[in-house]
Amino acid sequence: DVKVTQSSRYLVKRTGEKVFLECVQDMDHENMFWYRQDPGLGLRLIYFSYDVKMKEKGDIPEGYSVSREKKERFSLILESASTNQTSMYLCASSSPGGAEQFFGPGTRLTVL
Amino acid sequence: RKEVEQDPGPFNVPEGATVAFNCTYSNSASQSFFWYRQDCRKEPKLLMSVYSSGNEDGRFTAQLNRASQYISLLIRDSKLSDSATYLCVVNPASGGSYIPTFGRGTSLIVHP
Repeated sequence: DVKVTQSSRYLVKRTGEKVFLECVQDMDHENMFWYRQDPGLGLRLIYFSYDVKMKEKGDIPEGYSVSREKKERFSLILESASTNQTSMYLCASSSPGGAEQFFGPGTRLTVL
Repeated sequence: RKEVEQDPGPFNVPEGATVAFNCTYSNSASQSFFWYRQDCRKEPKLLMSVYSSGNEDGRFTAQLNRASQYISLLIRDSKLSDSATYLCVVNPASGGSYIPTFGRGTSLIVHP
């Protein structure tokens, strides 16, 4: 069974903290994505990676960075967490060429 | 104009009803199309792909209309368990980095 896992289901952090969200997939997919999902706004792409060490900015990259040192792992970093980054964060992976995306269970991050 | 648009609903229907959702897209060169289902507080999961010739899976039928640039999802004989948010996804033309575009979702509530 294909799997995308995320390091935490729930996370509470304080304003100004550095936050790491980890995502691991076991399907040998080239593409990996980080989204955030907020009520009424749908899924918004933060960053996309199509290969190890390669990344592209999505629609809302400000305040975030990413790291992909290994094919199976894609990390999202909040350099200095702010309250407006409280959200559900979803990681996904896919094969190249517009194939189906597989999502992780999500991390609900609260920044106090 | 948003790239992918959906009526957010909610569509409130009784068990056994037939319900249909549409999703319009703006990029006429889009290559592949999907419907995802997302349950409350869960990750999106692929419901079905949408092919040019249409696609049927049990009570679910997906259609693509390239001329009018929309995809549709028809659910027959609705069940309580069909209550969810339905997301349409459009993948761009080949040659790009295949970043899919998600609609904001249509909420379906099936009541007894």
